[in-house]
Amino acid sequence: DGGITQSPKYLFRKEGQNVTLSCEQNLNHDAMYWYRQDPGQGLRLIYYSQIVNDFQKGDIAEGYSVSREKKESFPLTVTSAQKNPTAFYLCASSIQGGASYEQYFGPGTRLTVT
Amino acid sequence: KNQVEQSPQSLIILEGKNCTLQCNYTVSPFSNLRWYKQDTGRGPVSLTIMTFSENTKSNGRYTATLDADTKQSSLHITASQLSDSASYICVVADFGNEKLTFGTGTRLTIIP
Repeated sequence: DGGITQSPKYLFRKEGQNVTLSCEQNLNHDAMYWYRQDPGQGLRLIYYSQIVNDFQKGDIAEGYSVSREKKESFPLTVTSAQKNPTAFYLCASSIQGGASYEQYFGPGTRLTVT
Repeated sequence: KNQVEQSPQSLIILEGKNCTLQCNYTVSPFSNLRWYKQDTGRGPVSLTIMTFSENTKSNGRYTATLDADTKQSSLHITASQLSDSASYICVVADFGNEKLTFGTGTRLTIIP
């Protein structure tokens, strides 16, 4: 069963704690992305990676960190420095980086920080 | 600043009826335009992707049109079904920066 998986579906944390969101794909895609979705706003790019061991900041990278040690995996850590971390987080992948290629999205993780 | 605006914000129609969703953009230079369907609490799923040279593209009961001169696109849904209830997101890619700009979506509700 091919695709992108994100876990967990729901995540609850106390303010001040770091939390890591998982994203795995078995599509053999080179590029992976993390987006944040808030009510009434379009998706916003947090980080992206076009190849293993390389990643770039998106539009709202402050308070987040990522790693890309394996082609299949692109975990996102939400640190305590992120001022408003409660949101719906979406991971995506594409066969190559760049806007010409279709992006396939995972099912998302809803993070609630209290 | 690149922007994508969608209208209406929300729409309620009866099952079996047709509807049209609108997308206006200011992204330049233009690379491609995509429509995604997003069920509540799920990730977006691609419906169509159109480049500059494509005026219309269909995917089953979904038909997207693109007017690159006026920077407008529409998504037409024919013979709506209850399963069409979702948010529909317009996304425009710019050529060069290789970035995507997402609209805020139209929330469509189909009632029996």
